[in-house]
Amino acid sequence: TAGITQAPTSQILAAGRSMTLRCTQDMRHNAMYWYRQDLGLGLRLIHYSNTAGTTGKGEVPDGYSVSRAITDDLPLTLASAVPSQTSVYFCASSDSSGGANTGELFFGEGSRLTVL
Amino acid sequence: GQNIDQPTEMTATEGAIVQINCTYQTSGFNGLFWYQQHAGEAPTFLSYNVLDGLEEKGRFSSFLSRSKGYSYLLLKELQMKDSASYLCAAMDSNYQLIWGAGTKLIIKP
Repeated sequence: TAGITQAPTSQILAAGRSMTLRCTQDMRHNAMYWYRQDLGLGLRLIHYSNTAGTTGKGEVPDGYSVSRAITDDLPLTLASAVPSQTSVYFCASSDSSGGANTGELFFGEGSRLTVL
Repeated sequence: GQNIDQPTEMTATEGAIVQINCTYQTSGFNGLFWYQQHAGEAPTFLSYNVLDGLEEKGRFSSFLSRSKGYSYLLLKELQMKDSASYLCAAMDSNYQLIWGAGTKLIIKP
């Protein structure tokens, strides 16, 4: 079973370049999320989407953008990468109902991004 | 502000019991999650508590006290494969998860 697929698994990127991290889920979950995970810090929410066609800002949205054209995909774009965006990025999804998310999160395997 | 506190690292012996504590402060509360994350891998769901008390699931149990803003994860009969980070997360009134930095559990033979 695929679950959530992220790509690429790792990438080295020059500062100032743009990059899109891909995320696809096959569970038909309504809600999808992008987190970054840095050493010594908890997972921090970048952007989220509760349903196709809508997105929202998380705790650390600056420098990132997302779009949710279809239920299955939530790509994360870095328009002009900076070294502080070096991190491990996790995409996640959950099955929400009634606009309230009370379900567990299912995570992708992560994308390790290094910005030089 | 919203905050989750959990120990950075713990060490335990194979076959023993270990308790990982978590305290939280959130704007509203809609439940407490525990996730396990092996090094270099994705977090995976362990438990969810929204009512006070103990939830047991095999070797793992999770406890919640809403009045104290406190939870713990209890791992029994420790195995080497339990070496991982354990992430505590509280869901606030907006149904957003606030994550702790994780507790790295080291199991020694």
